[in-house]
Amino acid sequence: ILNVEQSPQSLHVQEGDSTNFTCSFPSSNFYALHWYRWETAKSPEALFVMTLNGDEKKKGRISATLNTKEGYSYLYIKGSQPEDSATYLCALISGGYQKVTFGTGTKLQVIP
Amino acid sequence: EAQVTQNPRYLITVTGKKLTVTCSQNMNHEYMSWYRQDPGLGLRQIYYSMNVEVTDKGDVPEGYKVSRKEKRNFPLILESPSPNQTSLYFCASSPGQRYYEQYFGPGTRLTVT
Repeated sequence: ILNVEQSPQSLHVQEGDSTNFTCSFPSSNFYALHWYRWETAKSPEALFVMTLNGDEKKKGRISATLNTKEGYSYLYIKGSQPEDSATYLCALISGGYQKVTFGTGTKLQVIP
Repeated sequence: EAQVTQNPRYLITVTGKKLTVTCSQNMNHEYMSWYRQDPGLGLRQIYYSMNVEVTDKGDVPEGYKVSRKEKRNFPLILESPSPNQTSLYFCASSPGQRYYEQYFGPGTRLTVT
């Protein structure tokens, strides 16, 4: 079983603060990395699909970077809002593009 | 509306009583997968399917069976449920895997007493 680690486990920030989280993975098993946003009582929803070393993706105030050589990805949220409160998951795609290993997530709470 | 549906959404059952959780998608996706979510452990892959009649084990397949006889359906079968299979289960589908995100169903909360 591959080890995909996310840090921190949880985070409380004030509205308007910018924040970032880390996803670490074994670089030798990399085929792709996905980021998902998971709100309480809902299902995970995709944020980004990242496949190339050096990839940078952006959606509104949220962006992500990828370093496949050293095995990490960062997710950034600029100017956090209460509606950003959720658990953010990363998922490593490996095993010939088929197997999916999720990290345990970073739970973000944005305090108004 | 493009979606992944799961049934039932909630189920309480007893040890040893066979059950099936259905999963269906209307997006013509080739890839489908089952996950279980447990506190502190995150989403763990149970089984996945690359296409009809092609399935393979994920990280936690013990105690589960799947089948993929049609592209749209991917049922999860618990032949003899045990209390350690009490969990929140998600089905997901994707057009492929590497370049495409997964679309998740609403989840099934299973309790085995």
